[in-house]
Order: sequence, then C-alpha cells, then structure tokens
Amino acid sequence: DAGVIQSPRHEVTEMGQEVTLRCKPISGHDYLFWYRQTMMRGLELLIYFNNNVPIDDSGMPEDRFSAKMPNASFSTLKIQPSEPRDSAVYFCASSHSNQPQHFGDGTRLSIL
Amino acid sequence: AQKVTQAQTEISVVEKEDVTLDCVYETRDTTYYLFWYKQPPSGELVFLIRRNSFDEQNEISGRYSWNFQKSTSSFNFTITASQVVDSAVYFCALSELGDDKIIFGKGTRLHILP
Repeated sequence: DAGVIQSPRHEVTEMGQEVTLRCKPISGHDYLFWYRQTMMRGLELLIYFNNNVPIDDSGMPEDRFSAKMPNASFSTLKIQPSEPRDSAVYFCASSHSNQPQHFGDGTRLSIL
Repeated sequence: AQKVTQAQTEISVVEKEDVTLDCVYETRDTTYYLFWYKQPPSGELVFLIRRNSFDEQNEISGRYSWNFQKSTSSFNFTITASQVVDSAVYFCALSELGDDKIIFGKGTRLHILP
C-alpha cells in the first residue's frame, strides 16, 4: 500500500503569493494531521481531521492558514498571503484511530 | 499537561559504539502511548515503535532496544553497535488515551562517525 503522499516536495515562492500544499492519506485511515517543522520550534501540530471533519485547529498560526479535507483521500493546507516566516517543512500524517501516525515525505517550503 | 523532554540535543559517537537516547515524559493520565520516530537526513519521519503504558516490558528489535520505566517516567532508546546509517534525528512522543494528538519532544540529533 502506498504511504502518505505529499506534493509538491519543494516549493519556492515570493512573499505575498498563495501556497497550496497537498496530501493524500493512506487508504482506510480516518485521521489526518498537518504539522510544521522548524529548527526553532520543532514539530508543531497545526490541525487534524477525523473522518474529514476538522477536530482541532488550535495550532494554526493565524488566519492566513487554512486547511480543508473535501474527501477521505485528499487534504490541502493553504497559506494566503505567504510570508518569509512561513518557511518550514510541512508534514502530513495519517492514522487509523489510536494507531501510530504515518508521515509523508514533507513539503519543504521557502518563501522569499 | 503532556510534555516530552529529550535533554540530549545532539550526540556523536564512533561507529560500533552503543548509544542511548533519553526520553522523559509527563502526563496525568494512567493510560497513554509512547512512541519513537526516526528522521534521517533525507527528511522523512519513520515510525519505530509504540508502547502502551501498561506494558513495561523492554523491547528489542535487532540492534534497537527500548527501556520503559514508569517509575522514572522514562522511555529510553538504545542502539547497539551503531552504524553510520543510524545517523538521524530521533523523536520521542506521547499521546494520552482518548486524545488523537501526539506530543513530540524536540528530538536528539545523532551522529555516527565512521
């Protein structure tokens, strides 16, 4: 079975632009998580979904960040407008109930 | 409140040496899960192990072993006869029963020198 698939792997864009990160969870997993990893703050949970419904978005930094999960096989994390401090690696993970989370390879985002 | 502390920010050892990565956790729950993840230089996060709070038996998987001690709230990870390919950042993590979230420690960067 394919793992969690994230796209793009790398994204470089200028500040002010809209950025959309994509994630396809493992089939059958009912939980999906978005994390951000930086040197300063480590791994931070941004938001997670259960059965496509957002459960906790308390980690979303500000209104510029939004996430959706229109169906069980797809989620997006959008930043609009982007700022240089948003530069980080963004991970998507999925799991089934209380099972371990499985992570995608991440999207390395650089905002110039 | 949940908290995971990995006091060792960075460790360097020479290949074939044994190395132990420390993890101390805090939780008010009696039922919880502990995890270790590995992040190699390529960047992906790889799940290594999950233990529940009722199972204090040590676990061994090849050169990897884990020592879970509730009395000291620790879940330490030992690599025996380390290899260069073990070089990575290792994260310890905790989740409480009924909580879907995992709380990660800051990670320990391990360098295995040839």
